[in-house]
Amino acid sequence: QVQLLQSGADMKKPGASVRVSCKASGYTFMDYHIHWVRQAPGQGLEWMGWINPNSGDTNYAQKFQGRVTMTRATSISTAYMELRRLRSGDTAIYYCARDLGIQLGHDYWGQGTLVTVSS
Amino acid sequence: SFKLTQPPSVSVSPGQTASITCSEDKLGARYVSWYQQKPGQSPVLVLYQDRKRPSGISERFSGSNSGNTATLTISGTQAMDEADYFCQAWDSNTGVFGGGTKLTVL
Repeated sequence: QVQLLQSGADMKKPGASVRVSCKASGYTFMDYHIHWVRQAPGQGLEWMGWINPNSGDTNYAQKFQGRVTMTRATSISTAYMELRRLRSGDTAIYYCARDLGIQLGHDYWGQGTLVTVSS
Repeated sequence: SFKLTQPPSVSVSPGQTASITCSEDKLGARYVSWYQQKPGQSPVLVLYQDRKRPSGISERFSGSNSGNTATLTISGTQAMDEADYFCQAWDSNTGVFGGGTKLTVL
């Protein structure tokens, strides 16, 4: 069965960076884009961008341009999302999600990773 | 700018039909996806391409999209349907979510 297993919760100070991992299993990793979506406490969903695991191509939401980098390690079917220059407003649950198809939706989601930014 | 507008809350009695809307200018020209999220859980895709149900999603979930409004309809609403619902569409290569609607089954 398809699974996306994310790394555990993390706490960072303002100005630091965080990297969240997302290990895929149960399907061919290279065949589906991985998206990253975040959700601040009590708030809605916010799309951050995607990575094509096959080519490594990425597309980031304009809001995160310059602060986010999405990468992948194909040998271990894992996608990564790094967010830099963290601030308190980045406190959120970060989800990875598989693309059903180009702009069709996200059919499988990771369990989420809580990132807390606090001094 | 492209923004999807949802009502913050919708209430429905058990067994009745719930409708949740998602609006933006000319939204009918784009595909819309819908997600259900229960407290403490990851979102679940319930509809894609406006009206298609992924495997395992109840037939009680249906959708439409025309003009400026996409609608998620839940027929025979059950207590288990109580959740937050988010619509999603794409503006060029940017994914956009609606603000979410809390569905309460009274």
